[in-house]
Amino acid sequence: GAGVSQSPSNKVTEKGKDVELRCDPISGHTALYWYRQSLGQGLEFLIYFQGNSAPDKSGLPSDRFSAERTGGSVSTLTIQRTQQEDSAVYLCASSLGQGSQPQHFGDGTRLSIL
Amino acid sequence: AQSVTQPDIHITVSEGASLELRCNYSYGATPYLFWYVQSPGQGLQLLLKYFSGDTLVQGIKGFEAEFKRSQSSFNLRKPSVHWSDAAEYFCAVVFSGAGSYQLTFGKGTKLSVIP
Repeated sequence: GAGVSQSPSNKVTEKGKDVELRCDPISGHTALYWYRQSLGQGLEFLIYFQGNSAPDKSGLPSDRFSAERTGGSVSTLTIQRTQQEDSAVYLCASSLGQGSQPQHFGDGTRLSIL
Repeated sequence: AQSVTQPDIHITVSEGASLELRCNYSYGATPYLFWYVQSPGQGLQLLLKYFSGDTLVQGIKGFEAEFKRSQSSFNLRKPSVHWSDAAEYFCAVVFSGAGSYQLTFGKGTKLSVIP
């Protein structure tokens, strides 16, 4: 079956531009997570969606970052006024539920800010 | 603070040799424990998980891990490494007090395999 799909796989943009990253979770998975992977910081949690509940935004590094999840499925992570420190691989994961349910990851979007 | 430590940044082993990757966590209760593997340019693939019960868990690709409560450890092992195992390995933990059940990762261990 289809796994977690992320697009684009690579994105290069100029500093100050806005970017949108997309995640299609595994069908039927109610939980969706965004993580960021960078050389200096490793893998960091950004945001979590579960069903129709309010998202947990506690990992977002600044107010330039936002995310939404439409219809309980597709999610978009938006970074406004990008900075060079935003350069990283952004990974999306989904799971059947909470807690012990394992998270399944997409291949990520590699974001490079010039 | 809750944390996950992988003390070895880089390990090199010969093909056919045994492997053990270390992982320790700092937490008062038993968390949910995972090992993921990442090949270059790819996402994370789940190798195995531990929630409760038998402390020795089997995973895919011939990997196993043992949970030791007294040592707060969850080390990954493989009896005979194949060249295709070269990748980066991440230990990850869900601390049950985390409302959103997000994964907290170690910094990873890069495995190189000598033919």
